[in-house]
Amino acid sequence: IAGITQAPTSQILAAGRRMTLRCTQDMRHNAMYWYRQDLGLGLRLIHYSNTAGTTGKGEVPDGYSVSRANTDDFPLTLASAVPSQTSVYFCASSLRTGPQETQYFGPGTRLLVL
Amino acid sequence: AQSVTQLGSHVSVSEGALVLLRCNYSSSVPPYLFWYVQYPNQGLQLLLKYTSAATLVKGINGFEAEFKKSETSFHLTKPSAHMSDAAEYFCAVSKSGGSYIPTFGRGTSLIVHP
Repeated sequence: IAGITQAPTSQILAAGRRMTLRCTQDMRHNAMYWYRQDLGLGLRLIHYSNTAGTTGKGEVPDGYSVSRANTDDFPLTLASAVPSQTSVYFCASSLRTGPQETQYFGPGTRLLVL
Repeated sequence: AQSVTQLGSHVSVSEGALVLLRCNYSSSVPPYLFWYVQYPNQGLQLLLKYTSAATLVKGINGFEAEFKKSETSFHLTKPSAHMSDAAEYFCAVSKSGGSYIPTFGRGTSLIVHP
């Protein structure tokens, strides 16, 4: 069982370009999440999905969009990248929605926007 | 809204010494509390969580944390540090009602000296 896979591992992107970060889980978890990690700021929630077909906005959603067409995949799209979106992006999932649920994280995508 | 404060962005200990990482939370209702660990260039993984059962929670790798309602704290401890414990540690809080998704602290980097 792979858990959560993310692609690419890292990317250098020119400002203004469109980019999709991929996230796939094989645990049949209902809920999925996207976070960004920045030094000194910890993890901040970008978007989430409670179940396939539904999505919601997190703390820092501007400039990002997501879709959840099926249970396994939860791609994150930057429509027009800006340097402030330079960060490490983590995808996570949990079996159910609920405050006691453990989140399982992918290995991350390191993105540099120039 | 819930929040967590991790005191100290960096904690340095000698191998074999006590590890104490501090976390204080703010929540208007009984919280659920988590500690996650992030090893270099990896995603986060759960160390332990408090879900209103025993106030002293034991986790993996010899770590434990005690929920103290009177102090609104959930500090992480380990009696004897190993070199392999060097990592970033995140405290997180969630609650029933409203958004169930946990809020993460800014993280504490544990440095272990030989």
